[in-house]
Amino acid sequence: EVVLTQSPGTLSLSPGERATLSCRASQSVGTYLAWYHHKPGQAPRLLIYGASGRATGIPDRFSGSGSGTDFTLTISRLEPEDFGVFYCHNYGALPWTFGQGTKVEIK
Amino acid sequence: EVRLVESGGGLVQPGGSLRLSCAASGTSFNSGFTFSSYWLNWVRQAPGKGLEWVANINQDGSERYYADSVKGRFTISRDNVKKSMYLQMNNLRAEDTAVYYCATMFTIKFGPLYHYGMDVWGQGTTVTVSS
Repeated sequence: EVVLTQSPGTLSLSPGERATLSCRASQSVGTYLAWYHHKPGQAPRLLIYGASGRATGIPDRFSGSGSGTDFTLTISRLEPEDFGVFYCHNYGALPWTFGQGTKVEIK
Repeated sequence: EVRLVESGGGLVQPGGSLRLSCAASGTSFNSGFTFSSYWLNWVRQAPGKGLEWVANINQDGSERYYADSVKGRFTISRDNVKKSMYLQMNNLRAEDTAVYYCATMFTIKFGPLYHYGMDVWGQGTTVTVSS
């Protein structure tokens, strides 16, 4: 199975700062990679599909890039509501897999 | 707005069984959102852990895929008339303890390829496997 490794494990940033989250796949998934945001007590929320396509209703401060084995999610200006855990998700090879998550803490 | 509601979670002993349900509702189903047009997924989160994809099923139930950790023990199914999806879980283990989410999955052409995204999620139902 494709193993997704996310870094860093935790990011502690202030509102307005830029956040850069990384996801590395153990083998190429092309651009079959999505990003989700999960806050405690809530359902996960799709942010990005196809490595760089922004899902409906997602603010343009969220952007994704990459292909093959290296992917990045960038939040250009953090808002207080952006705290939580961000997961990358492989849907290019079965079984589908998630990364272990990057926790974003708002200072 | 489309809503998904999971049910059927609870406390079960190791080796036991549970059947989870996921029911779709909402006005969007009356305005063009057709339940039977979507792939459906189960995703779980164990306590203190990250998200884990469990299984999915295509529109007419003819294709079903499973995570290795549940293959042979869990069975996904759906009833498009009832706008519902199910997860039959047998031979449960302590490591199956988790919040189980159901999610619809859209397909979109992005560039030259078709891509997926799990865009509507339920709030989850909790399964606890313990003696």
